[in-house]
Order: sequence, then C-alpha cells, then structure tokens
Amino acid sequence: DGGITQSPKYLFRKEGQNVTLSCEQNLNHDAMYWYRQDPGQGLRLIYYSQIVNDFQKGDIAEGYSVSREKKESFPLTVTSAQKNPTAFYLCATSSTSGRLNIQYFGAGTRLSVL
Amino acid sequence: SQKIEQNSEALNIQEGKTATLTCNYTNYSPAYLQWYRQDPGRGPVFLLLIRENEKEKRKERLKVTFDTTLKQSLFHITASQPADSATYLCALDGTDSSYKLIFGSGTRLLVRP
Repeated sequence: DGGITQSPKYLFRKEGQNVTLSCEQNLNHDAMYWYRQDPGQGLRLIYYSQIVNDFQKGDIAEGYSVSREKKESFPLTVTSAQKNPTAFYLCATSSTSGRLNIQYFGAGTRLSVL
Repeated sequence: SQKIEQNSEALNIQEGKTATLTCNYTNYSPAYLQWYRQDPGRGPVFLLLIRENEKEKRKERLKVTFDTTLKQSLFHITASQPADSATYLCALDGTDSSYKLIFGSGTRLLVRP
C-alpha cells in the first residue's frame, strides 16, 4: 500500500474481453513490476519495467501486455489470449539506486472470469 | 534452474513461543535474501534483508539467519503473538543484472492465543 494505488480492487472479465488493471505510484521509483498470485502459490513475475518507455517480459508474459509511458504509471492489460486469468494481481515498485531491490506492493486486484 | 522452497504446510504454534520458518534454495548464490509478510487479500510487506556476507540480522522480535553453505535462511519470531499470524515469503535477487526478485511460495504462520 502506501504510495502505490491499484485499481480496481475487484474486476470481472467476460469471455473474449480485454481488461486493464491500473497501477499508480508516488514513490518516485524507477522500477515497476506486475505479479500474479494463485491460491497457495508464490508470486510469479508477468512484466517489469526499469525505466520509462522500456519493459521486459517476466516468466509468464503470454496473454498480458503493459505500457510505461509515465514514471508513475504501469497499467497491465489482461487480453482474451489469457485463458486462465482468475488470480490476484499485484503491482510493486522499487528504487534502482543501489542493488538491494526492496519492493513495495500495492493492495492488489482480484480478477475473476464471469 | 533456480529454485526456492518454503514449507507449504502451515506452522501452528502457541502464543509466546518462537516461530521458525525455513527458506531453502538451490542452483544459485544470491547476493542477498529478503523476507516479506503477506496478510490475506493484501500485498506483501518488506520485513528484513540479509546480505550474503551477514550471518544474522535482527529487528525487534524478528531474527533472520543466512547460511550460504547450507543454502538456507531461517526466519525467527520470538515471543509470538496472534497478530503475527500471516504468510511469510522469502525472496532472492535474480541471477541477471535486472532488478528482479524470485519469491518462494510462502509459509503460513498461525499463532494460537
């Protein structure tokens, strides 16, 4: 929580629909991340961005897309190509000064399929 | 490939006792290891970081050890309280130069009053 705002808190997706999850931060951090968490499992990295206008695929990028047009914002789109989107999605940020990469998380968005 | 293992079974202890959680890793030599706390329906919160050249780190009732020979970190909560009940995640820095963390699946701690 703190300086990271995720919205909405709950989201429902219909078949064939793209949905976008918002992540905004006021911590002035360069790096931003999107994770997916399934029940009883750890965090799996979807995409990350270390600087504006640049982002990299994580371990499970298929079916997702992102943009990083502003330092403060890193929206995640769950496309219709993602066949099993039901999960808890977490956005995080970290400072790139130093090497320690302590991450700060938002409160999450829970996505379900109708 | 890198692998992080945390006990998937919940740890159930009596209030006032010391809780000890384990994080094991393979195929990697991390520069540091982090521990996070996650409450249900919330994002993880950073607790402690320990570097590879540190054996032990303390913060109030929390203590973390890091044994690079055993490839293991232990996370201790002394004088545990019901409010300590949560899931605890360990995380290692990635092998490349990117700013990535690799998270374990977490261990749920339940502290009975």
